Order: sequence, then C-alpha cells, then structure tokens
Amino acid sequence: ILNVEQSPQSLHVQEGDSTNFTCSFPSSNFYALHWYRWETAKSPEALFVMTLNGDEKKKGRISATLNTKEGYSYLYIKGSQPEDSATYLCAFKEDNFNKFYFGSGTKLNVKP
Amino acid sequence: DAGVIQSPRHEVTEMGQEVTLRCKPISGHDYLFWYRQTMMRGLELLIYFNNNVPIDDSGMPEDRFSAKMPNASFSTLKIQPSEPRDSAVYFCASSFKGGFYEQYFGPGTRLTVT
Repeated sequence: ILNVEQSPQSLHVQEGDSTNFTCSFPSSNFYALHWYRWETAKSPEALFVMTLNGDEKKKGRISATLNTKEGYSYLYIKGSQPEDSATYLCAFKEDNFNKFYFGSGTKLNVKP
Repeated sequence: DAGVIQSPRHEVTEMGQEVTLRCKPISGHDYLFWYRQTMMRGLELLIYFNNNVPIDDSGMPEDRFSAKMPNASFSTLKIQPSEPRDSAVYFCASSFKGGFYEQYFGPGTRLTVT
C-alpha cells in the first residue's frame, strides 16, 4: 500500500485569507496526481490532473503545483470564500497501474 | 450526460441480508471504480474494471463482497451476507482510460446495516 499524506488535516481561515496545503507521495514511479474537491454530503469533483514535473494548474482562485522529484504537490487558494469550504483530496497514480491512492484529505473551513 | 448514476441512494438493511448496489458509468468511459468511504479509513478503492473486466480487486474486504460489470453501462457491488461493519458510503466513479483523465464520481449509496 502506497503512502499518500496530506497536511494539515484541517484548516480554519477567515474569508479573504489565502491558504495552501500539501500532498506528499512516493517520488518514484510517478504517473499522475489528481486533486479533488469534496463538499459535505456531495461526491468528489475533480479540480486538477497533474502529470509533469513543474506543472502548475489554475482554475479561478485555486492553483496547484507539482514536484515529482521530491514527491509533493501544493494546492493554493487565494482570497478564500465560504463556498471554498470543503475537503480537498489528492490522489496519486503509480506508473503502469491504474489504481489511485487517495490521501485522507485536508478539511478547509472558511469563516465569513 | 447525466453523470455517474448510483442506486439506491440510501439502503438500510438487517445484518445477514444481501445488499446490491448499482452503478451506471458515464457513456464512453472505459474505467469504473468502486470506493468505500468510512470515518476510520477515508476513501478506499475496492475494485476497478477496465472495459468491463475486473483488473484489481485487492481492496475488496473479504469474500462477502463481489462486483460485476456485465456490460459497459452497468456494474453491481454485492455484499452477502451484510454485517454492521459494512455500514459506509459506497461511491462509484468512471473515467476515460489512463491517469491523465479525472474520475467522475456518482452521488454515493449510504448503506446502513443494523
């Protein structure tokens, strides 16, 4: 079983704050890393698919970077809004297998 | 497309009963995944299919669990007999081939075994 770790486990910020969290994964046999946003009582929705070292993806106020050599990805949220409150999951895919290993998520709560 | 469809959305059953969860993937997707979400273990992969063929079932907890995909538009996850520790939310997801494509998750089935 591969170890995919996310930190912090939870985060409480004020509306307007910028924030970031980390996904760590094995640095060997990298194939892809996915970020998902999971709102309470809903199902996970894909944010980004990252495949190349140095990748940087952006969607509105949310962006992500990838470092496959050291085995981490950062997710950034600029100017957090209450609607950003959710659990953010990363999922790592090893080369040659289509099995994804999910981290336990970072639960973000943005207070108005 | 309507997205990934799962049924039922909620299932309450008694210990020992058979439970069947159903999933219809997005048309054209050739990968289908079954996940279980629990407080203790988070989101864990149970089994996945490629072109209707089971590829990796190493996450299936025990022989009481079985999954089938008789065609490209339908999959089932069966638990027989069910136990209280099987209570969880079960998600089905589908994707195009390969890790370059994101997974689309269904709304989940909340299973309660009493």
